[in-house]
Amino acid sequence: DAGVIQSPRHEVTEMGQEVTLRCKPISGHDYLFWYRQTMMRGLELLIYFNNNVPIDDSGMPEDRFSAKMPNASFSTLKIQPSEPRDSAVYFCASSLASGQGISNTEAFFGQGTRLTVV
Amino acid sequence: LAKTTQPISMDSYEGQEVNITCSHNNIATNDYITWYQQFPSQGPRFIIQGYKTKVTNEVASLFIPADRKSSTLSLPRVSLSDTAVYYCLVGDGANSGYSTLTFGKGTMLLVSP
Repeated sequence: DAGVIQSPRHEVTEMGQEVTLRCKPISGHDYLFWYRQTMMRGLELLIYFNNNVPIDDSGMPEDRFSAKMPNASFSTLKIQPSEPRDSAVYFCASSLASGQGISNTEAFFGQGTRLTVV
Repeated sequence: LAKTTQPISMDSYEGQEVNITCSHNNIATNDYITWYQQFPSQGPRFIIQGYKTKVTNEVASLFIPADRKSSTLSLPRVSLSDTAVYYCLVGDGANSGYSTLTFGKGTMLLVSP
């Protein structure tokens, strides 16, 4: 497997524009996570899905952020409208849960999308 | 939410053993302890995971005392390429059995020649 694939790798956009980040998890994995990383706040969990269903979106900063997982092999994170403070590296990760929950499983991360909003 | 506390940074030299300790006083019965490594411009990468006592793999060892309120990641004979940020994670102990992967600040390890 090629691992978790994210696109684009880099995105530069103007304030107010819509931004869509894409993620293809590892085939067969049933958990998908979206993280945001900045120097100030570190790695923040935004939302995670289990079997394509959003389980916890309490980390989503504002209504401008939305995430979908229409099928097991694809997820998107959308920011509309984008703002300069959204500039960060966004990571997608996937994992395969054991019967005891996801705290004891290995998550595989993509290479990330570096977003710059000017 | 089980919170973790790690040193912000550590320095070492090539060939030395490095031990990074993480405190997790509120760890729940069902929680495992997991360590990740992150290089600049890359996503975190799983290193090792354990529940109690000692776990060893090809890259590291993980020591967990009986009370499980802390854990120590041991990297034998580090090299320059081990310079990275190391994160200690525990589950949030949700009774449902499903918990999130919440990262703390991590420990920045700098290995010098």
